[in-house]
Amino acid sequence: GAVVSQHPSWVICKSGTSVKIECRSLDFQATTMFWYRQFPKQSLMLMATSNEGSKATYEQGVEKDKFLINHASLTLSTLTVTSAHPEDSSFYICSAPTSGQLYEQYFGPGTRLTVT
Amino acid sequence: AQTVTQSQPEMSVQEAETVTLSCTYDTSESDYYLFWYKQPPSRQMILVIRQEAYKQQNATENRFSVNFQKAAKSFSLKISDSQLGDAAMYFCAYRSLSKLTFGTGTRLQVTL
Repeated sequence: GAVVSQHPSWVICKSGTSVKIECRSLDFQATTMFWYRQFPKQSLMLMATSNEGSKATYEQGVEKDKFLINHASLTLSTLTVTSAHPEDSSFYICSAPTSGQLYEQYFGPGTRLTVT
Repeated sequence: AQTVTQSQPEMSVQEAETVTLSCTYDTSESDYYLFWYKQPPSRQMILVIRQEAYKQQNATENRFSVNFQKAAKSFSLKISDSQLGDAAMYFCAYRSLSKLTFGTGTRLQVTL
């Protein structure tokens, strides 16, 4: 099946700094990617839809200036958490649908962010 | 907005037995997809089974099958011959167009 990778798998940063998370589709091209956030023992909440070559679409309540998304190529989307605070600590997951079949989404392994 | 409800926060099943996880959803759309995802301790999301709303036949994948009741907006997952490796969080999800909406999840424990 299709493979989606994320890097890093775990990151610790200090409050006030920024951290970038990469999401890559390894063996297929993805014009759209999705970013989710998952708190401990909770479900996945969609944060934004990343669109290659255009602006991301953010879900209601998600601060676009805080969670910067860049979809620079057909295989790479990045999520930058700017001026991170401890409440941004969470598990971030990306997913990408394979071309022509948007109902088949493949998920990355996730990134655990801890802000101290 | 679409909502997905999983009313069972935790379930337990003995190895080799059968368990059913419940899911209901709310939508006004007629064309959509439903999914069950498994999230083991590694937290990697794994697709278990998919159901297209326009199909009346319930989907099956080896030991996994669904009971899709479109009028009742119900989509339950049955796991037969449960194995220790089935222990995980299970999320029901709804998709219309491209966005997935997840339920709150059911933690499945498999005992010997």
